This record gives sequence, structure tokens and C-alpha cells, in this order.
Amino acid sequence: GQQLNQSPQSMFIQEGEDVSMNCTSSSIFNTWLWYKQDPGEGPVLLIALYKAGELTSNGRLTAQFGITRKDSFLNISASIPSDVGIYFCAGQMGGGSQGNLIFGKGTKLSVKP
Amino acid sequence: EAGVAQSPRYKIIEKRQSVAFWCNPISGHATLYWYQQILGQGPKLLIQFQNNGVVDDSQLPKDRFSAERLKGVDSTLKIQPAKLEDSAVYLCASSEVTFGQFFGPGTRLTVL
Repeated sequence: GQQLNQSPQSMFIQEGEDVSMNCTSSSIFNTWLWYKQDPGEGPVLLIALYKAGELTSNGRLTAQFGITRKDSFLNISASIPSDVGIYFCAGQMGGGSQGNLIFGKGTKLSVKP
Repeated sequence: EAGVAQSPRYKIIEKRQSVAFWCNPISGHATLYWYQQILGQGPKLLIQFQNNGVVDDSQLPKDRFSAERLKGVDSTLKIQPAKLEDSAVYLCASSEVTFGQFFGPGTRLTVL
């Protein structure tokens, strides 16, 4: 089946650092979404991207929809402790909100000891 | 605006028992999804409803899982009988036509 390769699998952050993570696929998607999931909670939508090449920001978060439509990245600038959690990318074949979301395995952000 | 509601939040059952989960989507959202999230992985779609009709149930193990969305609002997901490998978080999500999916808090199922 379709798979998304999300990297890195985990990373440690120190407050104030910038963070980058990305997602690649062998399939073309029409929509890329980035979610954050805290322990015991459902994923929360951070950013939605609907157009190849699109660059979208939400506060300290910036995400881009790759030109090939097979990849996306998420950057977090000036990280803070509450950024800790698991970040998932998700790709969708259909337009709008139609169609199955394919999720990556997640990038776990933890605080540097 | 109220989010997606799910209950129960936690459930522990013995294998071969039955269990049901309930979901109430965001008001006005026509599309409802059930996902299964196994520990350490991203959510995987089980079934998608558009109003009260099934759009995609290709990954639903139909020998033991069933779901319904009567009247196009609330939905229930049932497992009968449960297996050990069904231990997971079951997430419900809903969406409007033109925007991303919004998830509920999930039900954590443990099968012993």
C-alpha cells in the first residue's frame, strides 16, 4: 500500500532552536496536512496545503507543499517546551477533504536533557 | 465550536468479547471517519462516511468490525469478537467539504 516516509523519527530540541522535519512519498498527493499529537489526545491539525509549491505559515510553523507533489516539510522556529509531542504528516489523494488520509509514522520531539 | 466527541475514553476487555465506540462529529460536518492507531504508528483509516452512506471501507476487517452512522450524525464502531491485535487507539474525525479533518480525543482499547 501507499506509504509516507517521515524523518527524522525522533529528535531532541533545546528551547529556542529551529526544527525541521519532512515527509516523502512515492505517490502524488493533492493535499498535504501536518498534525501534532499530544499523549492521550487525538491529532490536532496545524497546517493544510492544497497547491504544489505552496508555502504556508501558522505562527512559528511553516510548511511547504513540494513541487513534485511527493513531499512536504515542516519547520518550527524558536522552539518552546510546549512544542514537544509527535508530529505527523498526512497526504490525501482527493480534492478538498475527500478521500483517505495516508499518515507517516511521526516525528517525536522531545526536550534535550 | 464544540469539537469531535468520543466515548468511552478508555476500555479494557478480554479477547473474544465485544466492544462499541461512539462518535459525535462537529456540527454540520457531513464526512465522518474512523481510524485505528497502533502504538508507534500513524492513524490508519478504517471507514469513511459521507452523511449516512459508506464511501470507503476497504480497510475495515469486516469479519469482526462494523460501523454505522444512522441519520448522518453520530456514529458507532463495533468490534465482535475482539482479538489481542485490536489493542489500539480508535480515532474519529470529521470534515467539511473544503478543509482538513478534525480528530476527537480517541478511545484507547486494551484487549487482554
